[in-house]
Amino acid sequence: EPEVTQTPSHQVTQMGQEVILRCVPISNHLYFYWYRQILGQKVEFLVSFYNNEISEKSEIFDDQFSVERPDGSNFTLKIRSTKLEDSAMYFCASSIQGSSEKLFFGSGTQLSVL
Amino acid sequence: GESVGLHLPTLSVQEGDNSIINCAYSNSASDYFIWYKQESGKGPQFIIDIRSNMDKRQGQRVTVLLNKTVKHLSLQIAATQPGDSAVYFCAENIRDDKIIFGKGTRLHILP
Repeated sequence: EPEVTQTPSHQVTQMGQEVILRCVPISNHLYFYWYRQILGQKVEFLVSFYNNEISEKSEIFDDQFSVERPDGSNFTLKIRSTKLEDSAMYFCASSIQGSSEKLFFGSGTQLSVL
Repeated sequence: GESVGLHLPTLSVQEGDNSIINCAYSNSASDYFIWYKQESGKGPQFIIDIRSNMDKRQGQRVTVLLNKTVKHLSLQIAATQPGDSAVYFCAENIRDDKIIFGKGTRLHILP
């Protein structure tokens, strides 16, 4: 069964450093998402992306965050200058027809900011 | 807003019994609802969904009930098995292109 893949599975970085989290969505999907989950808490929406544009973003997704689809297969989340509170599990998801259909999630990247 | 370190509600069920997990959603304009299962160290996994024009939908061993009057969603798991141990999240599609997750319930299966 096709799946969303994310790399790396774990990322450790120093505060203030830039990180790029990578995702390969399911190949025929057109809508892409990033969510994050702080340990023990709920899954929080960050951003949705369609047709090379951000369609929705949350208040968490400030100027330090950006997303990109650099080619036909990858979807990335960049955090420009990481903060301690950015430590979380980051999930990528994709969907065929946007949020009116189910999202398929990757296994996540655990980001630890020291 | 929520406090840091929020504890998830927990439901403990005897193996073989039925489980009922409840969720209150926030937006009366939401038109699509999903239940996800999250096992430790993994991403959310789709279980079942329901649209706002329905009040019940059944899958294999799972049933979702939607009560739009009180903005309530429930997930029923029949004959609960050890593999059902996980955190269960309800999620809603709030117009536009985002799905918002609820707080989650941790399901423990007792032997």
